[in-house]
Amino acid sequence: QSALTQPPSASGSPGQSVAISCTGTSSDVGAYNYVSWYQQHPGKAPKLIIYEVTKRPSGVPDRFSGSKSGNTASLTVSGLQAEDEADYYCTSYAGSSVFGTGTKVTVL
Amino acid sequence: EVQLVESGGGLVQPGGSLRLSCVASGFTFNTYWMTWVRQAPGKGLEWVGNIKEDGSDKYYVDSVKGRFTISRDNAKNSLYLQMNSLRAEDTAVYYCVRDQGWFAFDFWGQGTVVTVSS
Repeated sequence: QSALTQPPSASGSPGQSVAISCTGTSSDVGAYNYVSWYQQHPGKAPKLIIYEVTKRPSGVPDRFSGSKSGNTASLTVSGLQAEDEADYYCTSYAGSSVFGTGTKVTVL
Repeated sequence: EVQLVESGGGLVQPGGSLRLSCVASGFTFNTYWMTWVRQAPGKGLEWVGNIKEDGSDKYYVDSVKGRFTISRDNAKNSLYLQMNSLRAEDTAVYYCVRDQGWFAFDFWGQGTVVTVSS
């Protein structure tokens, strides 16, 4: 399994929106609605923020939203806040599991 | 409160072995698939493998097949990762992770550091 492709970095000013893509293939992202997104702050364990493409776990702000089109999934963070500065990873079911390459989000 | 506490990491020479443990609490352990995820220094996340609720099925990433073995003891609410023939590229933080379903990893341990070096 090859890692899913994410842009290395993304940025935005407080209050703005940032979108992160996660590109896979017809065997993983395109085949199943089992894409999840994780937020990881430096030195901390990852945190689940989106699952099954669009669902948010309890306690995750609705500023975080997910979508999918074809072989590409996307995470959008609206109303950027300083605490959103972190690394973000996608993952997809593909028989087994494969993570994305990760995106560092910077709040300017 | 769900808690996952890993232990067993450390420094090991190439070719050596190490056994990681993870003790779970705050949920019914034997009703969840469990997963190991690792993260090499400065790198991204890598799914290592998982194990079914009753331990009857296990799956691994290709790079660890034949070297790593995942097991669990539901009576002790514990998950294990036996790592043999360790290589430098196995150096990473290893996380014990609960799968809420369809590879959505909803709870993570704090991680245990494994360093493979001579």
